[in-house]
Amino acid sequence: ILNVEQSPQSLHVQEGDSTNFTCSFPSSNFYALHWYRWETAKSPKALFVMTLNGDEKKKGRISATLNTKEGYSYLYIKGSQPEDSATYLCAPPGGGADGLTFGKGTHLIIQP
Amino acid sequence: DAGITQSPRYKITETGRQVTLMCHQTWSHSYMFWYRQDLGHGLRLIYYSAAADITDKGEVPDGYVVSRSKTENFPLTLESATRSQTSVYFCASSAGGMAYEQYFGPGTRLTVT
Repeated sequence: ILNVEQSPQSLHVQEGDSTNFTCSFPSSNFYALHWYRWETAKSPKALFVMTLNGDEKKKGRISATLNTKEGYSYLYIKGSQPEDSATYLCAPPGGGADGLTFGKGTHLIIQP
Repeated sequence: DAGITQSPRYKITETGRQVTLMCHQTWSHSYMFWYRQDLGHGLRLIYYSAAADITDKGEVPDGYVVSRSKTENFPLTLESATRSQTSVYFCASSAGGMAYEQYFGPGTRLTVT
């Protein structure tokens, strides 16, 4: 079972501010790192799947970077909007299994 | 295009009963997964399937049985439900393995009394 840590656990951000949070994962036997966005009362939706060290992906105001050698990924949100309020999950594939091992998430609340 | 659906959406059952949660996807994705959501643990993998007739255990498989006779369906059966299996269950599918994004169903909220 992989140890996947996300920090902070929760975050309150003013509308318009930019923010970022961290995912730490084992750097050995790296295959991929997934980011998901999970809104209340909905199901998780994929943001990014990253596979290469140094990879940077962007979708609108959200971007992510990946460092596989040291085992971390950052998720950035530029100019936060109320609709960005959600829990953001990171997940590498689990040891030996093709399913994902999820971190506990960063719960982001955007305050107007 | 229905995508991925789960049924029932809500279920209340008694301890010791057998219950089956259904999952159906319309994309012909080869991989399908079952996760459960628990406070303090987040999402945890129960079972997954790489193709029809191929299934494998995840992190928390005890007390569950799966089958996959058709690519589009991946039912999860609780053989004898226990209160500790009260949870929200999510089914997901993907076109491939580790480097492919997963698409989640809407979830089934199961309560075992």
